Amino acid sequence: KAGVTQTPRYLIKTRGQQVTLSCSPISGHRSVSWYQQTPGQGLQFLFEYFSETQRNKGNFPGRFSGRQFSNSRSEMNVSTLELGDSALYLCASSAGGTGPYEQYFGPGTRLTVT
Amino acid sequence: AQTVTQSQPEMSVQEAETVTLSCTYDTSESDYYLFWYKQPPSRQMILVIRQEAYKQQNATENRFSVNFQKAAKSFSLKISDSQLGDAAMYFCAYMDSGTYKYIFGTGTRLKVLA
Repeated sequence: KAGVTQTPRYLIKTRGQQVTLSCSPISGHRSVSWYQQTPGQGLQFLFEYFSETQRNKGNFPGRFSGRQFSNSRSEMNVSTLELGDSALYLCASSAGGTGPYEQYFGPGTRLTVT
Repeated sequence: AQTVTQSQPEMSVQEAETVTLSCTYDTSESDYYLFWYKQPPSRQMILVIRQEAYKQQNATENRFSVNFQKAAKSFSLKISDSQLGDAAMYFCAYMDSGTYKYIFGTGTRLKVLA
């Protein structure tokens, strides 16, 4: 099976712009989670989607949003970018439902905001 | 609120020796899953081992084993015969079976000395 893929892998944006990141989960997986990873804050949970519905949400401002499509692919959008949004954004998929519950991570999208 | 604590920001181990990484968690739930993930430098996060809370037997995967103490809410990872390739950031994670929400610890950076 192909692993979790994320596009793009690297992105440079300017403060105030918006960005959309994409994640394709492992085939058959219905749950997709997004995390922000920074050296200072570690791994911070953004949100999780399961069968096109947001099932869990972390403590991030409304500028961060996401969605999941019927094929389980997910997108994450950040509007009005701030310098502090520079981070590695990780996507993880899992079977969801009745399990198994381990998450499989993508390689991440490195976002740099200037 | 559920929390996961990794009290060792960094650990070192000599090649071929054994090292134990600590993880404690706090929850009022009885049904949950615990995981250890490994993130090598500039590489993808991968699952190392998982433990179901309802199982008393400690999980083992080759050189990796856990010491799961449910009453003490402790979930440590033991790496035997450490290899240079074990050098990575290790994250402990908790998943609530009711909400499917994952909580990650802050990570322990493991250095393996030749």
